[in-house]
Amino acid sequence: SAVISQKPSRDICQRGTSLTIQCQVDSQVTMMFWYRQQPGQSLTLIATANQGSEATYESGFVIDKFPISRPNLTFSTLTVSNMSPEDSSIYLCSVGGLAGGSSYNEQFFGPGTRLTVL
Amino acid sequence: AQSVTQPDIHITVSEGASLELRCNYSYGATPYLFWYVQSPGQGLQLLLKYFSGDTLVQGIKGFEAEFKRSQSSFNLRKPSVHWSDAAEYFCAVGGRSGGYQKVTFGTGTKLQVIP
Repeated sequence: SAVISQKPSRDICQRGTSLTIQCQVDSQVTMMFWYRQQPGQSLTLIATANQGSEATYESGFVIDKFPISRPNLTFSTLTVSNMSPEDSSIYLCSVGGLAGGSSYNEQFFGPGTRLTVL
Repeated sequence: AQSVTQPDIHITVSEGASLELRCNYSYGATPYLFWYVQSPGQGLQLLLKYFSGDTLVQGIKGFEAEFKRSQSSFNLRKPSVHWSDAAEYFCAVGGRSGGYQKVTFGTGTKLQVIP
């Protein structure tokens, strides 16, 4: 497995502002993902963070709202831009494709960032 | 498109009782299957996975799951539940054909354990 950390662990933000969430892994990984988990809901994939190129976004998510960076194989950021109360959620980073792992699909999750937008 | 159904939103069991959480999937071939657990305020932890081979897979914390192709099911079981098992459990399915395939999560089952 891998040790994944996220910063911040939680934040309370004002409407219209932006927040950048960091995800750090203790080993090089092939795949990094960002998920959203709205209150009482399951996980929804926002995008796949690609190292050295633009992220691949899922339907309903756009780069202007959720810009993502992945400068290397151990780090990624997700920015939630121009926030509204509807963006209040838990944002989770996950990784897959670990060296020696069984498949890209086997994902390991960070502890999440709990965001509240007022 | 692949999908996962967890028919039980909420389950309550007594400590020491057995547990079975249901999961049904839809996928065109044999998928990868996972169970994750999320404790309050925490991220998701992988309990177990099925890729191939023995259809009864053992996981951490005394959990096991059985892949039944004929029923498109991957139910999670534990013979004796502990109070610390109270959490939310997610079943997930992923494709297996070459490279990365998207993983789809079920809506989760919240487990309450009573003394």
